[in-house]
Amino acid sequence: AQKVTQAQTEISVVEKEDVTLDCVYETRDTTYYLFWYKQPPSGELVFLIRRNSFDEQNEISGRYSWNFQKSTSSFNFTITASQVVDSAVYFCALSGGGADGLTFGKGTHLIIQP
Amino acid sequence: DGGITQSPKYLFRKEGQNVTLSCEQNLNHDAMYWYRQDPGQGLRLIYYSQIVNDFQKGDIAEGYSVSREKKESFPLTVTSAQKNPTAFYLCASSIRGHRPFFGPGTRLTVL
Repeated sequence: AQKVTQAQTEISVVEKEDVTLDCVYETRDTTYYLFWYKQPPSGELVFLIRRNSFDEQNEISGRYSWNFQKSTSSFNFTITASQVVDSAVYFCALSGGGADGLTFGKGTHLIIQP
Repeated sequence: DGGITQSPKYLFRKEGQNVTLSCEQNLNHDAMYWYRQDPGQGLRLIYYSQIVNDFQKGDIAEGYSVSREKKESFPLTVTSAQKNPTAFYLCASSIRGHRPFFGPGTRLTVL
């Protein structure tokens, strides 16, 4: 069975601070995909990144960066110089690569204070 | 994400009534999914369909039913057997091996 753990239920930081959201996963699949989604108060899920299990390169997109470490089964997400607009719930998710759906973590509620 | 519509955005029903949530996609995706989200919880998979006229139970299928008569449509019925139906419901679609696209969601409140 697959499992995704986001141990941080809520994080609160002051604007411009850097913040890292943790994600630890469990799977027996050798091929799998990891995702991060952002959920603002409106409820829609905003796709941020998809990473396959064979690509351990870190990725940077503007103020966002992701650190994938297979050795520790982690896929952490860092926001640099946080802004109030980054306030949302962030979900990490895992897929086996087929079409049988994603396994989500419980999410981390990120609060950026001005 | 564009291409997936869910209606209505808010839905109210009396306890004991069945209710059907709509999900339509124009992305030509084979696979479609229904997830449920409760406050403070992640999304949990209810049902999924990888092809027309076929669907499988997810982790929390009890009290729900689906149909997949057309590629574009995957309606979810919340039956009276579902003990706690009040939740946020999200529909998604995907091409196999690619990331799913999510609809805007329907908030169901059972009074």
